[in-house]
Amino acid sequence: AQSVAQPEDQVNVAEGNPLTVKCTYSVSGNPYLFWYVQYPNRGLQFLLKYITGDNLVKGSYGFEAEFNKSQTSFHLKKPSALVSDSALYFCAVRDGGTGANNLFFGTGTRLTVIP
Amino acid sequence: DTEVTQTPKHLVMGMTNKKSLKCEQHMGHRAMYWYKQKAKKPPELMFVYSYEKLSINESVPSRFSPECPNSSLLNLHLHALQPEDSALYLCASSQEPGHPRDEQYFGPGTRLTVT
Repeated sequence: AQSVAQPEDQVNVAEGNPLTVKCTYSVSGNPYLFWYVQYPNRGLQFLLKYITGDNLVKGSYGFEAEFNKSQTSFHLKKPSALVSDSALYFCAVRDGGTGANNLFFGTGTRLTVIP
Repeated sequence: DTEVTQTPKHLVMGMTNKKSLKCEQHMGHRAMYWYKQKAKKPPELMFVYSYEKLSINESVPSRFSPECPNSSLLNLHLHALQPEDSALYLCASSQEPGHPRDEQYFGPGTRLTVT
């Protein structure tokens, strides 16, 4: 079975400060991990993914994520937050061993960047 | 062109109405998806089409009827819906079915209200 946990419903950070949005996962095979962002009344936008290789993945809009196999985590990070980063962030996982296209989403974390 | 389009943006329908949601992509993607998203919740997978054929139905009630007329179009036919079906309906596509490394591209969604 696959699952994703985002332990924080809400993260607040001051503009210019580094931000972290946490994600842990559980899969039986190799994990394929994704981050998406959703702005109000919009669809989801793909930010980045981890498939294999370097544990640090760089994505859109200055975001990056670090894959940690021992801690089964894939936290989203950005060195300096912008007010425009305020949105809902979803972590998602696929089990690479199944070949299935199903994406399992976490419950989402609302990021608020305070000016 | 990395865009998935959905029409209409908003839809209000009565419980006895019949309506359809439309989704279109011109990225040559062969996997297409319908998701349902309630407020402040993650998207929930409803249907997956692989090469224009229905491959996954996540036990969705028959009042939702998907259709894939060709590789670029995906419809969701709605009939006799309930107020609890009110939600944001998201369409997504990815390059190839059975390629779990591929990210999904989402449309902006249709905000459905059932009265």
